[in-house]
Amino acid sequence: GAGVSQTPSNKVTEKGKYVELRCDPISGHTALYWYRQSLGQGPEFLIYFQGTGAADDSGLPNDRFFAVRPEGSVSTLKIQRTERGDSAVYLCASSLRVAGDTQYFGPGTRLTVL
Amino acid sequence: GDSVTQMEGPVTLSEEAFLTINCTYTATGYPSLFWYVQYPGEGLQLLLKATKADDKGSNKGFEATYRKETTSFHLEKGSVQVSDSAVYFCALSVLNSGYSTLTFGKGTMLLVSP
Repeated sequence: GAGVSQTPSNKVTEKGKYVELRCDPISGHTALYWYRQSLGQGPEFLIYFQGTGAADDSGLPNDRFFAVRPEGSVSTLKIQRTERGDSAVYLCASSLRVAGDTQYFGPGTRLTVL
Repeated sequence: GDSVTQMEGPVTLSEEAFLTINCTYTATGYPSLFWYVQYPGEGLQLLLKATKADDKGSNKGFEATYRKETTSFHLEKGSVQVSDSAVYFCALSVLNSGYSTLTFGKGTMLLVSP
């Protein structure tokens, strides 16, 4: 079946602009995660959803970052007033339930802030 | 906090050579351990995992054994192929409050030449 999809695959924006990144998880997966991968680094956790609610947003770097999952499926990561330091690959993953389930990753969105 | 340390790359090998990529971890709880692989232009894929001490994860000729006494999870393959060229990430997850998130190492690039 279809895997995790993310759009856009690439996003170039200017400093100070607002961006939205979309994640479409595997159908039926209730858990959804966002990670950020900076150049030369491993992915770092941002936020975790169980269903519609953000159960853990401790990885969000500051209040410019926000994510929603209004119907418990598609999620949108929103970044306000982008900064050059936000440039990275943003990864989304989903898992069937939560505890101990394998996380399946999407191909990522490469965000470049000029 | 939890952390993963893996050997820096790139690791450059000839086809059919033996591969070892070292990974050690620090965790506050009892982690599950993973190796993910990222092929050029593709998303992260789970390669193998182990959930308890002395378990051996294996897939596609790769193996790793969960060593609690040395807090290690080294990746090995007896005979690498050109198609194994990719970035390999060691990761851990600890179940906390009914869910777990992944903590990744920085990744090790493997380059296999014919």
